[in-house]
Amino acid sequence: QKEVEQNSGPLSVPEGAIASLNCTYSDRGSQSFFWYRQYSGKSPELIMFIYSNGDKEDGRFTAQLNKASQYVSLLIRDSQPSDSATYLCAVPYSSASKIIFGSGTRLSIRP
Amino acid sequence: DTEVTQTPKHLVMGMTNKKSLKCEQHMGHRAMYWYKQKAKKPPELMFVYSYEKLSINESVPSRFSPECPNSSLLNLHLHALQPEDSALYLCASSQAAAGDYNEQFFGPGTRLTVL
Repeated sequence: QKEVEQNSGPLSVPEGAIASLNCTYSDRGSQSFFWYRQYSGKSPELIMFIYSNGDKEDGRFTAQLNKASQYVSLLIRDSQPSDSATYLCAVPYSSASKIIFGSGTRLSIRP
Repeated sequence: DTEVTQTPKHLVMGMTNKKSLKCEQHMGHRAMYWYKQKAKKPPELMFVYSYEKLSINESVPSRFSPECPNSSLLNLHLHALQPEDSALYLCASSQAAAGDYNEQFFGPGTRLTVL
């Protein structure tokens, strides 16, 4: 079983709609969760982190965490073409000094 | 300053060459990382330095040799690489290596091509 799972996509969403990206993880001891955005040919950029159950909002981005279900999601409201990128879910491995990345979801916003 | 810098941006080398990748951060972070990323794959951890000491080596071949001269600098020395080592090499840093709540910040990467 993969430790961090994401749907690889591509996920195609019309401009102005809500994009919903999902991630499940296997380590019940994990306490913090990160979302990175990576444009083609560029390095990952941290866009959201969440530590507590519930929702965390930052501008057009909302991260949602449900530790009981081991599920974290990222919602992007009013999607723009500039949101087209790969989104990586990352979870620190509770017993080691490293984070585990999901395989990434490729998001495409169509005009 | 919230930036991690990497040089060079691009590197082309032959299989007999020796080269080095450099990474620098001035955020006072005490953990630094090297990742390798192939196209359409997530970053793959290679090495972790914590307080200037190597704490994790993910069974990386010895043709990759990391070095941490001080808390702000991280090098990756390359020798006798193979064409399959061609990839984007990413450096990252975080406040500390152990435990949760340590966001990692990535540099822009070095695109390496081995001929």
